[in-house]
Amino acid sequence: AQSVAQPEDQVNVAEGNPLTVKCTYSVSGNPYLFWYVQYPNRGLQFLLKYITGDNLVKGSYGFEAEFNKSQTSFHLKKPSALVSDSALYFCAVRPAYSGAGSYQLTFGKGTKLSVIP
Amino acid sequence: KAGVTQTPRYLIKTRGQQVTLSCSPISGHRSVSWYQQTPGQGLQFLFEYFSETQRNKGNFPGRFSGRQFSNSRSEMNVSTLELGDSALYLCASSKGQGVDEQYFGPGTRLTVT
Repeated sequence: AQSVAQPEDQVNVAEGNPLTVKCTYSVSGNPYLFWYVQYPNRGLQFLLKYITGDNLVKGSYGFEAEFNKSQTSFHLKKPSALVSDSALYFCAVRPAYSGAGSYQLTFGKGTKLSVIP
Repeated sequence: KAGVTQTPRYLIKTRGQQVTLSCSPISGHRSVSWYQQTPGQGLQFLFEYFSETQRNKGNFPGRFSGRQFSNSRSEMNVSTLELGDSALYLCASSKGQGVDEQYFGPGTRLTVT
């Protein structure tokens, strides 16, 4: 079965500084990778996804993520953090091949991002 | 386009009762997934439906069940509620499976007393 690890429960960054939220995954075969954000008392919002092609994926609100197959990582990045980026971020993976065992979308435990003014 | 809607938004039930939660997907979306979110366990997958068929099921006891109707609306049912079932239940819809991103509803907050 696939799994996702988000090694940091919390990331603190000063406003205007670059931010990185880390994600590593384990899956049979090629992965489909996703990032979601959750604001307090809200559902999750889709940020970006990697399906195939260019390893650098750009998404909503200035976020981007880099797929690294050799390191099985999909870290979320933003060049300049805003206070409004403070939220809970989830990385998710599912196998590209539906026959590769469990085909469900599997989420990491989430990383709380706090951007300090 | 309207987003994913979930009803009710808040629910308080007593241990041993049963509950039904409802989810209306985005128009045109045929896949609906359900998740349980708790502070300790994070987001845990319950089940996924596509065209009225359950395509995937998570590791939850048989007390948790669901179904999808021909209009893609979905319901999930939890019978014989336990205190540990208290959680935020999230529904998500997507056009299909695989590459399609999921769009989440605001969730139903279930409290079991």
